[in-house]
Formats: sequence, structure tokens, C-alpha cells
Amino acid sequence: AQSVSQHNHHVILSEAASLELGCNYSYGGTVNLFWYVQYPGQHLQLLLKYFSGDPLVKGIKGFEAEFIKSKFSFNLRKPSVQWSDTAEYFCAVNGADNTDKLIFGTGTRLQVFP
Amino acid sequence: KAGVTQTPRYLIKTRGQQVTLSCSPISGHRSVSWYQQTPGQGLQFLFEYFSETQRNKGNFPGRFSGRQFSNSRSEMNVSTLELGDSALYLCASSPGPLGGPGDEQFFGPGTRLTVL
Repeated sequence: AQSVSQHNHHVILSEAASLELGCNYSYGGTVNLFWYVQYPGQHLQLLLKYFSGDPLVKGIKGFEAEFIKSKFSFNLRKPSVQWSDTAEYFCAVNGADNTDKLIFGTGTRLQVFP
Repeated sequence: KAGVTQTPRYLIKTRGQQVTLSCSPISGHRSVSWYQQTPGQGLQFLFEYFSETQRNKGNFPGRFSGRQFSNSRSEMNVSTLELGDSALYLCASSPGPLGGPGDEQFFGPGTRLTVL
């Protein structure tokens, strides 16, 4: 069965610090990978996605993620965080075979202090 | 283009009652998925409808059901409510079915269900 692990449950950073949030998944086949963000009081929105091609994916607001197939990982990175990045971040995966559901990780709460 | 809308936004029910939640997808989107979000379990997939057919179902009891209409609007029903059903229920729409190239999902604001 598919599963997604986000090992960092709560991350606290100062502005301008670099960010890396871990995401590992288990699935035997080809996958589509996503990072979603939920800002306080707002609904989930897509940060970036990987379907195929270049494993380094760039998303909105300066975020990027790298798909490393051999490690079953899709870590999210940002070189310099801002206070406005305070939010909950969810990694999600589904199988790219038209039959699978989207499985979410448990989320990582990021707090950025000025 | 209007986003995904969900009604009602808040709902309070008592144990044993049943509830119906509604979701209107983005115009042109044919896939609608439902999720349950709780602090303890996170986001869990309930089911997906595409072209009025249920394609996938998560690990939820049969008390949770849904349907999709010809205009792609979807409803979710929970019968015989339990205290543990208290959660934020999210609906998401996408142009194509999950797993395909057009499956980027757009989420609605959710319906906050409280079961007393």
C-alpha cells in the first residue's frame, strides 16, 4: 500500500534561514508527487508537483523540490524563508496509473519568526 | 474562474444523525475527491468521483457515501454519525482523474462538522 512519511512534524526557523522538509514515500510504480501548503485560515493550495522529466521541480514563492527515485524522497526546499511562509506543508503522492488515490503525509507545521 | 465551493461551512449534529455535504467543483473539472482532515490522522482520502462514477475509495466504513451529478457537483453523506466523525471535510476538484496528467487538485475551504 502507498504511504507517505513526513518526519518533521514541527519546524521553527528565523527569517532568512534555509528550509528543507523531508518527504519519503512507499510505492512500487511510477508516481506523481505533490507539495501542498495550508496558510493559517486558508485552504490547501498546490506549491509544486512532479509528474516526469527534470527531477528538480520549481514551484511558487521560491520553493523547489527534488525527486530522488533511489531514495523514494521528494524533499521540499527554500533557500531563505520569510515570516509569510508560516504554514502547514503536506507532501502527497499518487500512482501514475489512473487508478490510485492521493495519499497525504501528516504534514509539517512551519513557524518562521522575524 | 470561481474556485471550489463547499456548503455548508459549519455544521453541528448529534450522534446517530445523518449529514449531507455539498461540493461544487471548478467549472470544467470532472473529478471530485473528498478528504477528512483531523488533527490526529491528518488528511485521509475518502473517495473520488469522475464522470458520475466512484473510481477510488479510502478505508472508511460504509456509513460514508457519496455521489456525483451530471454537472460534476458532488455530495457526501455520512449516516449514523459518531463522535469520531468530527472533522474538517475537504473537497477537491481536478480536470482529470487522479493518477492522470491532469490531476492537479484544487481544494475548497471545507465543511467543519462537529458531532455532539
